[in-house]
Amino acid sequence: EAGVTQSPTHLIKTRGQQATLRCSPISGHTSVYWYQQALGLGLQFLLWYDEGEERNRGNFPPRFSGRQFPNYSSELNVNALELEDSALYLCASTITGGEETQYFGPGTRLLVL
Amino acid sequence: DAKTTQPTSMDCAEGRAANLPCNHSTISGNEYVYWYRQIHSQGPQYIIHGLKNNETNEMASLIITEDRKSSTLILPHATLRDTAVYYCIVRFLGGSNYKLTFGKGTLLTVNP
Repeated sequence: EAGVTQSPTHLIKTRGQQATLRCSPISGHTSVYWYQQALGLGLQFLLWYDEGEERNRGNFPPRFSGRQFPNYSSELNVNALELEDSALYLCASTITGGEETQYFGPGTRLLVL
Repeated sequence: DAKTTQPTSMDCAEGRAANLPCNHSTISGNEYVYWYRQIHSQGPQYIIHGLKNNETNEMASLIITEDRKSSTLILPHATLRDTAVYYCIVRFLGGSNYKLTFGKGTLLTVNP
């Protein structure tokens, strides 16, 4: 069974540009979580999508947004990129929202120059 | 979620068992102990979780003390590929407790 997949693996952007990151959950999983892992800052919760709806978001500005598609895959968009957005962006999925074990993808490494 | 305390780093010889401790003295009765690991620059990998009883799967064993204030993750035959940061998390399952928070974890280095 395929795990959580993310694309691209690496992304290089310049300040002010927009980045789009994609995530496909494990087959049968309906919930997707996005996290940011910046160097030295640990795992920071970004967004939670379940059944196509945004259920909660972390303490990030509105230029971080996303959506979940009918096939439960998800997209994270980061507008007006800033240097400090450089980080590993991780997607995790669960069978249902909230209580289940989260399984992570390999991540997208975003570098903002 | 209750806080956890883990050693900053540990070494283990290849082929030997790696025993990673975690203290969670303020754990409550309905909080689970979860273990993840993260190999450098990769996504965290779920290892195992438990509530009260010891658990075993194809990757590891989880030993939880009777008072639930500490636990040990055991990798029975460590390989070089087990070198990673190991995170112990205490997590209440229920309500809207949806986000994971990792502490600093233990850097396990498996030596040849």
